[in-house]
Amino acid sequence: QKEVEQNSGPLSVPEGAIASLNCTYSDRVSQSFFWYRQYSGKSPELIMSIYSNGDKEDGRFTAQLNKASQYVSLLIRDSQPSDSATYLCAVNGGSNYKLTFGKGTLLTVNP
Amino acid sequence: DAGVIQSPRHEVTEMGQEVTLRCKPISGHNSLFWYRQTMMRGLELLIYFNNNVPIDDSGMPEDRFSAKMPNASFSTLKIQPSEPRDSAVYFCASSLGGGRGNEQFFGPGTRLTVL
Repeated sequence: QKEVEQNSGPLSVPEGAIASLNCTYSDRVSQSFFWYRQYSGKSPELIMSIYSNGDKEDGRFTAQLNKASQYVSLLIRDSQPSDSATYLCAVNGGSNYKLTFGKGTLLTVNP
Repeated sequence: DAGVIQSPRHEVTEMGQEVTLRCKPISGHNSLFWYRQTMMRGLELLIYFNNNVPIDDSGMPEDRFSAKMPNASFSTLKIQPSEPRDSAVYFCASSLGGGRGNEQFFGPGTRLTVL
């Protein structure tokens, strides 16, 4: 059973701080890793994808991948109240098209 | 550019009725996915299609659920008969498919309530 684990939160940070969201996965052959943002009552929105070990930056977002530790994280710099949402980690393994999602971490950014 | 389109956005029905959810994937995408999301179980993959062919339906909860993709631009998820435990948000997603082109893009979802 392939598993993706995230802390459910809520994670509360003050406006302007760095929010750090973490995710671990069980399938060692996983190849692709994604972070989705989901606002309450809305659908998941893809915000980051990462495929290689190391860091990938896109604006205020940085994804970090460590395949040896089976760990992927998302950093949000200069957090804004509009970043308040549930963040879903998703992992794709091997050659198939399936994504396994974690249950998400609820992030609250306080003004 | 149009994203994934789903209809209806909300559906309220009574137990035992047939429910049909519809999805139009992003043009040019050849993989389509149906998910169900609940508070208890999170986001679960029900079935996915590649080039209109069902590849994996292991997530379909039982025979009451069926899905079709008659062409590249349309898919349906049918529940017959519906039960209160089917109440959830159902998402359709599509992707280019294959290798690293498997970023999935979600539709707005259908919120289903079975009374």
